[in-house]
Amino acid sequence: AQSVSQHNHHVILSEAASLELGCNYSYGGTVNLFWYVQYPGQHLQLLLKYFSGDPLVKGIKGFEAEFIKSKFSFNLRKPSVQWSDTAEYFCAVILISGGYNKLIFGAGTRLAVHP
Amino acid sequence: NAGVTQTPKFQVLKTGQSMTLQCAQDMNHEYMSWYRQDPGMGLRLIHYSVGAGITDQGEVPNGYNVSRSTTEDFPLRLLSAAPSQTSVYFCASSRGGTGTDTQYFGPGTRLTVL
Repeated sequence: AQSVSQHNHHVILSEAASLELGCNYSYGGTVNLFWYVQYPGQHLQLLLKYFSGDPLVKGIKGFEAEFIKSKFSFNLRKPSVQWSDTAEYFCAVILISGGYNKLIFGAGTRLAVHP
Repeated sequence: NAGVTQTPKFQVLKTGQSMTLQCAQDMNHEYMSWYRQDPGMGLRLIHYSVGAGITDQGEVPNGYNVSRSTTEDFPLRLLSAAPSQTSVYFCASSRGGTGTDTQYFGPGTRLTVL
């Protein structure tokens, strides 16, 4: 079955540290890729997405992600995190197969940024 | 636009009780979905709808019913609540279902079944 794996369930960083969250998916066909963020007490918001073209995509709040097709990966990065980045981050994949394309989520990574 | 709204925000049920979680969107989106979020498991698709009158099952449909009589509303019904249904429920909508349409999520309903 198709799946999305996020390698780290909990990450703790100090402000100004660099961030990289791993995401791998298991599907050999065409995919669209997303990172969503859920701030404490809030609903999910789209951080960035990749459909095609330049594999390095930039999102909101200084986040970026790189799609590496050969590694089935879509890792999220930020050069310098802030306390306000404390949130849960979800990688999600849509498998393009015709008809309604369902969004499959990873288990999420909780990021805590300490001042 | 209010976007996607959900009611109630919190609910406690006893085993065997029934209830309906409400979801509405004002963006004229055709596609609507219900997810449940459990610790360590991310979001899992319960049911989805590709338009008024059309619904289908997702990954974890057992114990839940849906209907879509209007474009705006997509209620989720629990006919006989079980403790395993304790979760946070999110409704989402998107303009289309082709994979390039962004899904917009509601604020969630936190349900506890005792």
